[in-house]
Amino acid sequence: GAVVSQHPSRVICKSGTSVKIECRSLDFQATTMFWYRQFPKQSLMLMATSNEGSKATYEQGVEKDKFLINHASLTLSTLTVTSAHPEDSSFYICSARYGGSDTQYFGPGTRLTVL
Amino acid sequence: AQSVTQLDSQVPVFEEAPVELRCNYSSSVSVYLFWYVQYPNQGLQLLLKYLSGSTLVKGINGFEAEFNKSQTSFHLRKPSVHISDTAEYFCAAFHPNTGNQFYFGTGTSLTVIP
Repeated sequence: GAVVSQHPSRVICKSGTSVKIECRSLDFQATTMFWYRQFPKQSLMLMATSNEGSKATYEQGVEKDKFLINHASLTLSTLTVTSAHPEDSSFYICSARYGGSDTQYFGPGTRLTVL
Repeated sequence: AQSVTQLDSQVPVFEEAPVELRCNYSSSVSVYLFWYVQYPNQGLQLLLKYLSGSTLVKGINGFEAEFNKSQTSFHLRKPSVHISDTAEYFCAAFHPNTGNQFYFGTGTSLTVIP
């Protein structure tokens, strides 16, 4: 149980375009979802926390207008990287937690490459 | 501020040898502790977690960890490693009464040498 999927697993786009990444909890209702960014050989950096039906809470230094997060349902959150640039290239990982749970369940990640 | 420290960035070990990956946390309040494993180009998979009770926690793939409150440590151990254990390992802390955020260590890259 507690499976989280991400789509796409890998995306390559041109500079200036927008990219949407989906994160789904497949067998549970995720009251809270998290978006992380991971650079090569580094730990996960929390970008934002989103609760279903409310606005995401962004970490300091993360641009809200660039990384748009929507958590419209209890099983789906999306991260849209707007006007992507090469420096946005990274591994993006989502995780989900259901109410009262002590554990975050992670998706498999999305590799974004901006040319 | 809360923090999680993984003292070793890289740990090479021969196949079938024992291994210990170290993790220390800083917290003056109750904390839950986790170990996750990440294989190349994949997300994080939960290995084990400590919430309360017995300080020795057993997880998947033969791993175990011991919570030591006096030393604020939560080291991960395996008595005999396999090639397939080669991966990145992350220690994380979660404070149940202070919000949703997990605090991750910087990771330890375990390489099992045949």
